[in-house]
Amino acid sequence: EPEVTQTPSHQVTQMGQEVILRCVPISNHLYFYWYRQILGQKVEFLVSFYNNEISEKSEIFDDQFSVERPDGSNFTLKIRSTKLEDSAMYFCASRRTTGELFFGEGSRLTVL
Amino acid sequence: GENVEQHPSTLSVQEGDSAVIKCTYSDSASNYFPWYKQELGKRPQLIIDIRSNVGEKKDQRIAVTLNKTAKHFSLHITETQPEDSAVYFCAASKDNNNDMRFGAGTRLTVKP
Repeated sequence: EPEVTQTPSHQVTQMGQEVILRCVPISNHLYFYWYRQILGQKVEFLVSFYNNEISEKSEIFDDQFSVERPDGSNFTLKIRSTKLEDSAMYFCASRRTTGELFFGEGSRLTVL
Repeated sequence: GENVEQHPSTLSVQEGDSAVIKCTYSDSASNYFPWYKQELGKRPQLIIDIRSNVGEKKDQRIAVTLNKTAKHFSLHITETQPEDSAVYFCAASKDNNNDMRFGAGTRLTVKP
C-alpha cells in the first residue's frame, strides 16, 4: 500500500540553524500538507499546497517557514532560523482531492 | 478560519463499556468530518469519517453522528477493548478550502 514517507525521522539542531524536512507524498495525490504536533498536544495545521503554490496557511506559518516542491516527488518544509519553540513532531500529509488525509510517520525536530 | 473544539480531553472507561467523544465546529460550510486515532509515537490514522449529507455512519464498533444544525459531531465506540486506548482527534474541512483543522484530542484509556 502506498504511503507518505518523511526524512529525517529525527533531527537535532542548534537554535538559529536552518532545517529542511523532506516528504514524499503518495504519487497520485494532488494536495500536500504540513502539520506540527508539540509533544502531547494537538495536531496543528501549518500549510497546504496545491498546483505548485501555497493554498492555505495558518497563523503559525510565518516568514521563517517556507515550503517547496523542488521536483515531481519531494515536498519540503524549511525553517530558516530555528527557535526552541520549534521543537515538535512535524507531519507531512497528502490527499488525492477531498477526503482522507494520509500522514507520514513524522520528523521529530529537537532545537537545543 | 475553522475552529474545532473537542471534549473531553481525557476519558477512562472499563473494558466493554462505551466511549463517546464530542466535537463542535464553527464554519457552517464545513462538509467533511474525519476521526483519527493516534497511538503513542505513531502517526494519526483515519478510523472513520462522515460527510455533511449524512447524519450517521457506522463501522463495526465505531460510529459517528453529525448534527449540522448544531454544528457538532460525535464518535461512539462500543464494547471498548484495551487496544482502543489512544488519542483520538476530530477534524473538519470543506471541499473548496485546503486546510483541515483538528480538535485538541481526547486521550482514551480502556482499563482491562
